[in-house]
Amino acid sequence: KQEVTQIPAALSVPEGENLVLNCSFTDSAIYNLQWFRQDPGKGLTSLLLIQSSQREQTSGRLNASLDKSSGRSTLYIAASQPGDSATYLCALPGGGKLIFGQGTELSVKP
Amino acid sequence: DGGITQSPKYLFRKEGQNVTLSCEQNLNHDAMYWYRQDPGQGLRLIYYSQIVNDFQKGDIAEGYSVSREKKESFPLTVTSAQKNPTAFYLCASSLQGPNTGELFFGEGSRLTVL
Repeated sequence: KQEVTQIPAALSVPEGENLVLNCSFTDSAIYNLQWFRQDPGKGLTSLLLIQSSQREQTSGRLNASLDKSSGRSTLYIAASQPGDSATYLCALPGGGKLIFGQGTELSVKP
Repeated sequence: DGGITQSPKYLFRKEGQNVTLSCEQNLNHDAMYWYRQDPGQGLRLIYYSQIVNDFQKGDIAEGYSVSREKKESFPLTVTSAQKNPTAFYLCASSLQGPNTGELFFGEGSRLTVL
Protein backbone atom coordinates (compact mmCIF):
# COMPACT_ATOMS: atom_id res chain seq x y z
CA LYS A 1 0.00 0.00 0.00
CA GLN A 2 1.41 3.36 -1.04
CA GLU A 3 2.16 5.80 1.77
CA VAL A 4 3.24 9.39 1.28
CA THR A 5 5.09 11.41 3.91
CA GLN A 6 6.08 15.06 3.98
CA ILE A 7 8.59 16.33 6.48
CA PRO A 8 8.74 18.87 8.04
CA ALA A 9 5.10 19.65 8.77
CA ALA A 10 5.94 23.34 9.03
CA LEU A 11 8.83 25.52 7.91
CA SER A 12 9.59 29.19 8.49
CA VAL A 13 12.27 31.01 6.48
CA PRO A 14 13.32 34.62 5.88
CA GLU A 15 12.52 36.19 2.54
CA GLY A 16 15.09 35.53 -0.18
CA GLU A 17 16.17 32.12 1.05
CA ASN A 18 16.26 29.12 -1.23
CA LEU A 19 14.46 26.15 0.28
CA VAL A 20 13.63 22.50 -0.28
CA LEU A 21 10.44 20.67 0.60
CA ASN A 22 10.52 16.89 0.85
CA CYS A 23 8.10 14.16 -0.15
CA SER A 24 8.75 10.45 0.47
CA PHE A 25 6.79 7.48 -0.81
CA THR A 26 6.98 3.78 -0.06
CA ASP A 27 6.22 2.14 -3.43
CA SER A 28 8.58 3.18 -6.22
CA ALA A 29 6.32 1.81 -8.98
CA ILE A 30 4.64 5.13 -9.64
CA TYR A 31 3.11 6.68 -12.75
CA ASN A 32 3.65 10.30 -11.82
CA LEU A 33 3.93 12.68 -8.89
CA GLN A 34 2.19 16.01 -8.52
CA TRP A 35 2.96 19.02 -6.33
CA PHE A 36 0.18 21.34 -5.18
CA ARG A 37 -0.10 24.60 -3.31
CA GLN A 38 -3.00 25.40 -0.99
CA ASP A 39 -3.71 28.84 0.47
CA PRO A 40 -5.84 28.99 3.65
CA GLY A 41 -9.50 28.32 2.94
CA LYS A 42 -8.87 27.74 -0.75
CA GLY A 43 -8.67 24.82 -3.14
CA LEU A 44 -5.47 23.21 -4.35
CA THR A 45 -3.48 24.71 -7.19
CA SER A 46 -1.41 22.36 -9.30
CA LEU A 47 2.23 23.45 -9.45
CA LEU A 48 4.11 20.69 -11.23
CA LEU A 49 3.49 17.19 -12.52
CA ILE A 50 6.46 14.86 -12.98
CA GLN A 51 5.97 11.75 -15.06
CA SER A 52 7.74 8.59 -13.89
CA SER A 53 10.10 8.77 -16.87
CA GLN A 54 11.25 12.27 -15.91
CA ARG A 55 13.76 13.30 -13.28
CA GLU A 56 12.68 16.91 -12.87
CA GLN A 57 10.30 19.64 -13.93
CA THR A 58 10.69 23.39 -13.71
CA SER A 59 8.25 26.27 -13.59
CA GLY A 60 9.62 29.72 -12.86
CA ARG A 61 11.29 29.67 -9.42
CA LEU A 62 10.05 26.14 -8.74
CA ASN A 63 11.92 22.96 -9.54
CA ALA A 64 10.62 19.51 -8.66
CA SER A 65 12.81 16.43 -8.81
CA LEU A 66 11.92 12.77 -8.69
CA ASP A 67 14.10 9.84 -7.58
CA LYS A 68 12.00 6.68 -7.80
CA SER A 69 14.75 4.39 -6.57
CA SER A 70 14.99 6.19 -3.25
CA GLY A 71 11.27 6.98 -3.04
CA ARG A 72 11.78 10.72 -2.86
CA SER A 73 10.69 13.91 -4.53
CA THR A 74 11.82 17.42 -3.65
CA LEU A 75 10.34 20.80 -4.45
CA TYR A 76 12.97 23.50 -4.64
CA ILE A 77 11.83 27.12 -4.30
CA ALA A 78 14.39 29.72 -5.28
CA ALA A 79 14.54 33.22 -3.79
CA SER A 80 11.48 32.73 -1.61
CA GLN A 81 8.94 35.56 -1.24
CA PRO A 82 6.20 36.23 1.34
CA GLY A 83 3.68 35.36 -1.37
CA ASP A 84 5.05 31.81 -1.37
CA SER A 85 3.58 31.29 2.10
CA ALA A 86 1.10 28.42 1.81
CA THR A 87 0.77 24.70 2.40
CA TYR A 88 2.51 22.53 -0.16
CA LEU A 89 1.29 19.01 -0.81
CA CYS A 90 2.62 16.18 -2.91
CA ALA A 91 0.42 13.42 -4.29
CA LEU A 92 0.76 10.35 -6.42
CA PRO A 93 -1.55 7.68 -7.84
CA GLY A 94 -2.17 4.49 -5.90
CA GLY A 95 -5.01 2.01 -6.27
CA GLY A 96 -6.81 4.11 -8.86
CA LYS A 97 -6.84 7.25 -6.75
CA LEU A 98 -4.48 10.05 -5.76
CA ILE A 99 -2.77 9.64 -2.38
CA PHE A 100 -1.74 12.84 -0.63
CA GLY A 101 0.93 13.66 1.87
CA GLN A 102 -0.05 15.70 4.93
CA GLY A 103 1.62 18.79 3.52
CA THR A 104 4.30 21.24 4.61
CA GLU A 105 3.09 24.62 5.84
CA LEU A 106 5.58 27.22 4.61
CA SER A 107 5.88 30.70 6.07
CA VAL A 108 8.21 33.20 4.39
CA LYS A 109 8.92 36.18 6.65
CA PRO A 110 9.57 39.63 5.13
CA ASP B 1 -12.16 30.39 -18.67
CA GLY B 2 -11.77 26.67 -18.21
CA GLY B 3 -11.97 25.31 -14.74
CA ILE B 4 -13.92 23.70 -11.94
CA THR B 5 -16.72 25.54 -10.18
CA GLN B 6 -17.96 24.50 -6.77
CA SER B 7 -21.03 25.97 -5.12
CA PRO B 8 -21.97 27.10 -2.64
CA LYS B 9 -18.73 28.33 -1.11
CA TYR B 10 -20.21 28.30 2.39
CA LEU B 11 -23.17 26.27 3.56
CA PHE B 12 -24.86 25.88 6.93
CA ARG B 13 -27.08 22.94 7.68
CA LYS B 14 -29.16 21.82 10.59
CA GLU B 15 -28.67 18.34 11.93
CA GLY B 16 -30.83 15.80 10.15
CA GLN B 17 -30.92 17.65 6.84
CA ASN B 18 -29.47 16.46 3.56
CA VAL B 19 -27.44 18.95 1.55
CA THR B 20 -26.08 18.81 -2.01
CA LEU B 21 -22.79 20.37 -3.09
CA SER B 22 -22.41 21.25 -6.73
CA CYS B 23 -19.32 20.62 -8.88
CA GLU B 24 -19.17 21.60 -12.54
CA GLN B 25 -16.20 21.45 -14.90
CA ASN B 26 -15.74 22.71 -18.44
CA LEU B 27 -12.35 21.06 -19.01
CA ASN B 28 -13.86 18.11 -20.88
CA HIS B 29 -12.35 15.79 -18.27
CA ASP B 30 -13.58 12.23 -17.95
CA ALA B 31 -12.64 11.68 -14.29
CA MET B 32 -14.03 13.59 -11.32
CA TYR B 33 -13.41 13.26 -7.59
CA TRP B 34 -14.71 14.43 -4.23
CA TYR B 35 -12.34 14.88 -1.30
CA ARG B 36 -12.94 15.88 2.27
CA GLN B 37 -10.34 17.92 4.19
CA ASP B 38 -10.24 18.17 7.97
CA PRO B 39 -7.57 19.93 10.05
CA GLY B 40 -4.70 17.56 10.77
CA GLN B 41 -6.14 14.75 8.65
CA GLY B 42 -5.16 15.66 5.13
CA LEU B 43 -7.34 14.93 2.13
CA ARG B 44 -9.54 11.85 2.11
CA LEU B 45 -11.32 10.52 -0.96
CA ILE B 46 -15.11 10.24 -0.71
CA TYR B 47 -16.17 9.16 -4.22
CA TYR B 48 -14.72 9.21 -7.70
CA SER B 49 -16.05 8.73 -11.20
CA GLN B 50 -13.99 7.71 -14.22
CA ILE B 51 -16.82 8.06 -16.72
CA VAL B 52 -20.42 9.17 -17.02
CA ASN B 53 -22.98 6.95 -15.24
CA ASP B 54 -20.26 5.18 -13.26
CA PHE B 55 -18.71 5.97 -9.87
CA GLN B 56 -16.84 4.18 -7.09
CA LYS B 57 -16.62 4.60 -3.34
CA GLY B 58 -13.48 6.08 -1.92
CA ASP B 59 -12.10 5.68 1.59
CA ILE B 60 -14.90 7.46 3.47
CA ALA B 61 -18.08 7.07 1.39
CA GLU B 62 -20.46 6.28 4.27
CA GLY B 63 -23.12 8.97 4.65
CA TYR B 64 -22.48 10.44 1.19
CA SER B 65 -23.99 9.87 -2.25
CA VAL B 66 -23.11 11.05 -5.76
CA SER B 67 -24.40 10.94 -9.30
CA ARG B 68 -22.72 11.37 -12.67
CA GLU B 69 -25.44 11.90 -15.23
CA LYS B 70 -23.43 14.40 -17.27
CA LYS B 71 -19.73 14.53 -18.02
CA GLU B 72 -19.38 18.03 -16.67
CA SER B 73 -21.28 17.57 -13.41
CA PHE B 74 -20.58 15.50 -10.27
CA PRO B 75 -22.80 16.62 -7.36
CA LEU B 76 -22.21 15.32 -3.83
CA THR B 77 -25.04 14.85 -1.35
CA VAL B 78 -24.17 14.84 2.33
CA THR B 79 -26.93 12.86 3.98
CA SER B 80 -28.18 12.91 7.55
CA ALA B 81 -26.40 9.57 8.00
CA GLN B 82 -23.02 11.29 7.89
CA LYS B 83 -22.11 11.56 11.56
CA ASN B 84 -19.62 14.40 11.36
CA PRO B 85 -20.27 16.37 8.17
CA THR B 86 -18.67 19.68 9.15
CA ALA B 87 -15.64 19.91 6.86
CA PHE B 88 -14.11 21.50 3.77
CA TYR B 89 -15.13 19.64 0.61
CA LEU B 90 -13.01 19.72 -2.54
CA CYS B 91 -13.98 18.60 -6.03
CA ALA B 92 -11.34 17.71 -8.61
CA SER B 93 -11.09 16.44 -12.15
CA SER B 94 -8.53 14.92 -14.48
CA LEU B 95 -8.50 14.17 -18.17
CA GLN B 96 -8.42 10.45 -17.53
CA GLY B 97 -7.60 8.59 -14.33
CA PRO B 98 -4.99 9.80 -11.84
CA ASN B 99 -2.39 7.43 -13.33
CA THR B 100 -2.31 9.38 -16.55
CA GLY B 101 -2.91 13.01 -15.91
CA GLU B 102 -2.82 16.11 -13.83
CA LEU B 103 -5.51 16.71 -11.23
CA PHE B 104 -7.23 20.11 -11.03
CA PHE B 105 -9.26 21.32 -8.06
CA GLY B 106 -12.15 23.67 -7.45
CA GLU B 107 -12.12 26.33 -4.75
CA GLY B 108 -13.93 24.18 -2.22
CA SER B 109 -17.17 24.29 -0.25
CA ARG B 110 -17.18 24.69 3.52
CA LEU B 111 -20.08 22.93 5.21
CA THR B 112 -20.98 23.69 8.80
CA VAL B 113 -23.62 21.72 10.69
CA LEU B 114 -25.34 23.73 13.38
